[in-house]
Amino acid sequence: AQTVTQSQPEMSVQEAETVTLSCTYDTSESNYYLFWYKQPPSRQMILVIRQEAYKQQNATENRFSVNFQKAAKSFSLKISDSQLGDTAMYFCAFMKHDGNQFYFGTGTSLTVIP
Amino acid sequence: EAGVTQFPSHSVIEKGQTVTLRCDPISGHDNLYWYRRVMGKEIKFLLHFVKESKQDESGMPNNRFLAERTGGTYSTLKVQPAELEDSGVYFCASSQDDDLNSRDSNYGYTFGSGTRLTVV
Repeated sequence: AQTVTQSQPEMSVQEAETVTLSCTYDTSESNYYLFWYKQPPSRQMILVIRQEAYKQQNATENRFSVNFQKAAKSFSLKISDSQLGDTAMYFCAFMKHDGNQFYFGTGTSLTVIP
Repeated sequence: EAGVTQFPSHSVIEKGQTVTLRCDPISGHDNLYWYRRVMGKEIKFLLHFVKESKQDESGMPNNRFLAERTGGTYSTLKVQPAELEDSGVYFCASSQDDDLNSRDSNYGYTFGSGTRLTVV
């Protein structure tokens, strides 16, 4: 069975600062995908960034980057130069390489303070 | 392109009543998924349609939940009779291709905004 753990229910960060959201997971799979999704208040959930487990290089998308530690089964998200629009619920998710079902964590509510 | 549409956005019903949630996927998307997030917990998979067929319904909690996708277009999720523990946010998602690597930059999954169901 796959599990995803987000140990920070709520976080806040000053605008323009950097924040890191934690995520750990457990799986016996060797090849899989990891994702960070963002859901702004009352809006749809959108993909922030994704990582293939077989790639050692950490994924980066503009101000968003991950620290993927496969051996430790850790997948943290770093948001640089935080903006007010980054205020949202952030979900870490796992998917088997040959699967189509997400396994999500409990989410981290991030508030960017002006 | 219209996204995944879910309605209602909110529903408050009494225990024992029936509620039907609807999801309109992106046109042409064969795959449709339902997920649920109970307050404070993780988002959990409920089921997966490929066109009108149920590919995987392993996440459906019990027989009070009935999902349909007649004609392979929109889907409904009916809860009858509703219980207090059914409260949560129900998400729908759709994708066109089952191969994650062939999908577009959003990796093919588009989620709706969810339906917040409150059973009182």
